[in-house]
Amino acid sequence: KQEVTQIPAALSVPEGENLVLNCSFTDSAIYNLQWFRQDPGKGLTSLLLIQSSQREQTSGRLNASLDKSSGRSTLYIAASQPGDSATYLCAVRPGPHAGGTSYGKLTFGQGTILTVHP
Amino acid sequence: GAGVSQSPRYKVAKRGQDVALRCDPISGHVSLFWYQQALGQGPEFLTYFQNEAQLDKSGLPSDRFFAERPEGSVSTLKIQRTQQEDSAVYLCASSLVREFASYEQYFGPGTRLTVT
Repeated sequence: KQEVTQIPAALSVPEGENLVLNCSFTDSAIYNLQWFRQDPGKGLTSLLLIQSSQREQTSGRLNASLDKSSGRSTLYIAASQPGDSATYLCAVRPGPHAGGTSYGKLTFGQGTILTVHP
Repeated sequence: GAGVSQSPRYKVAKRGQDVALRCDPISGHVSLFWYQQALGQGPEFLTYFQNEAQLDKSGLPSDRFFAERPEGSVSTLKIQRTQQEDSAVYLCASSLVREFASYEQYFGPGTRLTVT
């Protein structure tokens, strides 16, 4: 059974710092990995999606890397801002070996709560 | 265009009551997923529909949970005889394609269920 772990559980940094959020998964046979942002009382907003054949994806101040063989991904946030404060979740989608109809479901980590203070 | 919508946004139920949670996916999206998110945890998969067919319900925690999508669009998650442990945010997501190809799931805002 796939398990996803995120470290740290919570992070508080001053504005302007660069920071790294970590995600690890136990079954490396994934199809892709996705990073989401969740604001209090809101749904999930997709930030970056990395296919299993890719090493990284970038969007603005965000960069996500993937090392599938070691079961790790990192989300790098450059020049953090108070508006970045939210919970960040990573999720993996199983690869073809999952078979049947399970290929669509995502397995999530428990999230990292990020607070960026002015 | 309109995203995934869910209603109600908040629901308070007394223990033992039945509740029904609604999800309106993005128009034309074939796949629909339900997830349960307990406080301080990541979402956990409940069930998956492809059009009107429920192809995976392995995540439903008990037979008190029932989901349907009769016309392949709107979906309803029903919980019978609610228990306190059912308190959580219930998230719905939809996606466009059904083939095993790259796609994104688009999430609704969720329904926060509190069972007292």
